[in-house]
This record gives sequence, C-alpha cells and structure tokens, in this order.
Amino acid sequence: DQQVKQNSPSLSVQEGRISILNCDYTNSMFDYFLWYKKYPAEGPTFLISISSIKDKNEDGRFTVFLNKSAKHLSLHIVPSQPGDSAVYFCAASTQGGSEKLVFGKGTKLTVNP
Amino acid sequence: GAVVSQHPSWVICKSGTSVKIECRSLDFQATTMFWYRQFPKQSLMLMATSNEGSKATYEQGVEKDKFLINHASLTLSTLTVTSAHPEDSSFYICSARSVDKSYNSPLHFGNGTRLTVT
Repeated sequence: DQQVKQNSPSLSVQEGRISILNCDYTNSMFDYFLWYKKYPAEGPTFLISISSIKDKNEDGRFTVFLNKSAKHLSLHIVPSQPGDSAVYFCAASTQGGSEKLVFGKGTKLTVNP
Repeated sequence: GAVVSQHPSWVICKSGTSVKIECRSLDFQATTMFWYRQFPKQSLMLMATSNEGSKATYEQGVEKDKFLINHASLTLSTLTVTSAHPEDSSFYICSARSVDKSYNSPLHFGNGTRLTVT
C-alpha cells in the first residue's frame, strides 16, 4: 500500500506559467514533507520542505502548501522555467524529515519554452 | 552545502559476481546513512538504514545476506551486492544525515549508482 501518492506521472506547462505538482498521503503520522527534484542518472536534490505545523512554506519561486485535513500537499513553481524540467518527488517522514523518507513515484515536469 | 559522494556512478558486472558501492559524506559526519533503490518509473524505495559502528537495519523484503552494508566510519558506508543477478539491476542511491544535531537540514543524497548485471 503506497503511503505517498503522486497521481500525475507527468505535467507539461509553458515557460512563465505556474506549475502545480500534487501529492497525497495516507499516513496521519507523517509530520514532515519534502520535495526533491531529480534528473536522470542523478540523485535527488532537495528543493523545499514543510513541517506539519505549517500550511505554507515559500522559497523564491517555489511554494509548498499543506492541507492536513485532506492529507494533501502541493508544490507551486512560478514562473516556471525550462530548467525546471525534471522529475519531482514528494517525500514524507514521521521523524522530522531527517530520518528515513517515504517517496511518491514522482511527476515528470516539462516546461516548454 | 552538504555533499554526499557515491562511487561508482555506473557499473556493469556479470551474473554471480559481487559489486561494492561506496557512499561518502564529504563535508560532514554521518552517524546514519540510508540506502535506496529505484526501478524504472518507480519511487525510491528504502532498502536499509546504515548506522556507524552497528549492524544495519533492513526493510522488509530486503535480503541482508545479499545486500551487505558496512558503516565503518562516520563518513563512509558501503553496500555490497553479492552474487548479483540480472534482477538486481537498478539505480542505487545513498543518503546521509549529519551527526550535528544543530545542522538543520534534510537528508542529502548521492548521485546514485546505475548497476547493470548481465
């Protein structure tokens, strides 16, 4: 049973527009959520995170929103740039984010010039 | 920022041989390292948690005798795939957590190792 779900395997947006990547989770014990960006044949690179005590965290063009009641989080990228094209993984942890992570299957984002 | 180095980045081996993958934390000490595996179009799946100076903790379904983990120092963990078979072909990635509790940072990942068993 997958505890972290990214139901959209791919997303395509135009440069300059907003990209919204979604993630749902089932384990109510998760207290920390992270987004990682991954290029082929490379390890994931940390993007942004959010603690369960918050509902929004912003870092430059990246904003993560958390809806605990819906067990849903989303990553907003605005404006989207071609360099943002990659696979984005949502991950969750029950121990503050520095212990083992449970990953979703990823969403491949393509930003078209 | 924290850097985790993984070596080799890719390896091809014959069925039945063993392959060792190294994971090093370059600018911080890591009491705990994690080994993940990713099959094509799948999520990263945790295989085991490697603790410095003690035995690794394996996730359910991961054979500890096949995937040997050694965490001999605070900066190095190794994963050895023993008697590799084609079904072991995958992308193996390590991550590390700093021993410094004030180092408020999420896990950092290595660049992964692409293993192909022929």
